[in-house]
Order: sequence, then structure tokens, then C-alpha cells
Amino acid sequence: AQSVAQPEDQVNVAEGNPLTVKCTYSVSGNPYLFWYVQYPNRGLQFLLKYITGDNLVKGSYGFEAEFNKSQTSFHLKKPSALVSDSALYFCALNQGGKLIFGQGTELSVKP
Amino acid sequence: SQTIHQWPATLVQPVGSPLSLECTVEGTSNPNLYWYRQAAGRGLQLLFYSVGIGQISSEVPQNLSASRPQDRQFILSSKKLLLSDSGFYLCAWSPGGVEKLFFGSGTQLSVL
Repeated sequence: AQSVAQPEDQVNVAEGNPLTVKCTYSVSGNPYLFWYVQYPNRGLQFLLKYITGDNLVKGSYGFEAEFNKSQTSFHLKKPSALVSDSALYFCALNQGGKLIFGQGTELSVKP
Repeated sequence: SQTIHQWPATLVQPVGSPLSLECTVEGTSNPNLYWYRQAAGRGLQLLFYSVGIGQISSEVPQNLSASRPQDRQFILSSKKLLLSDSGFYLCAWSPGGVEKLFFGSGTQLSVL
């Protein structure tokens, strides 16, 4: 079965430090991967996607993600975290037009 | 531009009462439509999706049903709510294929 996993329930970083939110996937065939962010009591907002091409994908709000086929990973990164980046982050896999989400990682950025 | 509307934002219902949540999309035609539920502020579970009027696929057997009476309208219903139906319900649309989903602002349902 195709799936995505986010191994960390929570990630804590200091403002100004780089951040990484991890995601691994399991698919048969080419993966179509997405990152979304959710602020409290809100819908999800699209950050970026990988369909094909360059392994480093740039997205909204300064985020980027690196697709690594050999490690079956799609980690979300940002060079310098902001307090306003604190939110719930979801990795997702497109399976036949449906998005299958990971369990989410709570990112907390402290001043 | 395309927009998605979902209402109500919050809803408190007694156990055994009916439910109707509505979602509409503007600015596009023949979208794929989705209902997700998020429990305890974490993982999202796909409940239903639709690729056209009257075409509904159920992902998880449960106390809920969905209908798509018009091209850009998606309704989530229940005849009798259970306590376990409480959660944050999100509607979404996409152009189809491997494109991204666009989410509504969600409905927080509390069944008491």
C-alpha cells in the first residue's frame, strides 16, 4: 500500500536556525508529493509539490523540500526559521487523484 | 479566481441528530471534490471524494454519507450523529490528476 510517514510528532527550533521536517514515502511507481501547512482552526495551505524534475523544490514562505529517491524521503526545509512558521505541517502523497496525508508534525519556533 | 466556501464554521449537535455540511466551489467547472476529517487536530482521513455529479466514492465505512447534487456542490450528511463523529471537517477541491488540493476553512463539529 502507498503511504507517507512523518516520524516526528513535534520539532522545536530557535528562531533564525535552520529547520527540517521529515517525511518518508512508500509507493509503487513515481511519487507525487506535497507539503501543506495548517494554522490553528484553519484549513490547509499548499506549500510546495514534487511531480518530476529537479530534486530541490522551492515553495511558499521561503520553504523548500528535497526529494531523495534512494532514501524515499521528501524533507521540508527552511534556512532560517521564524516564530510565525509555528504550525502543523503535513506531508502528502497523491494516489490516483486523492491526497493521502501523513500524521502531521507540530513545528514550534521559539524566539 | 477559484474560491471554496464551507459552512458552518462551528456546529454543536446532540447525539442522534441529523447533520448537513455544505461546500461549494466557484470559478471552476467539473472539479474533483473531497471531504476529509481531522480528529484531535492531527491526521487527516479521507472520507469521500467525487469526480462528477452523482459520483461518490467512500473511503471509510461509517455513519456518514456524501452527495453531489450539482457540479460545484458537495454535501456531507448523517441521519443520526454519534459521539465519534466529532472532529474538524474539511472540504477540498482540485482540477484532478496530480494537481494540488485547495481546502476550505473547515467546520468544527462537536457532538454532545
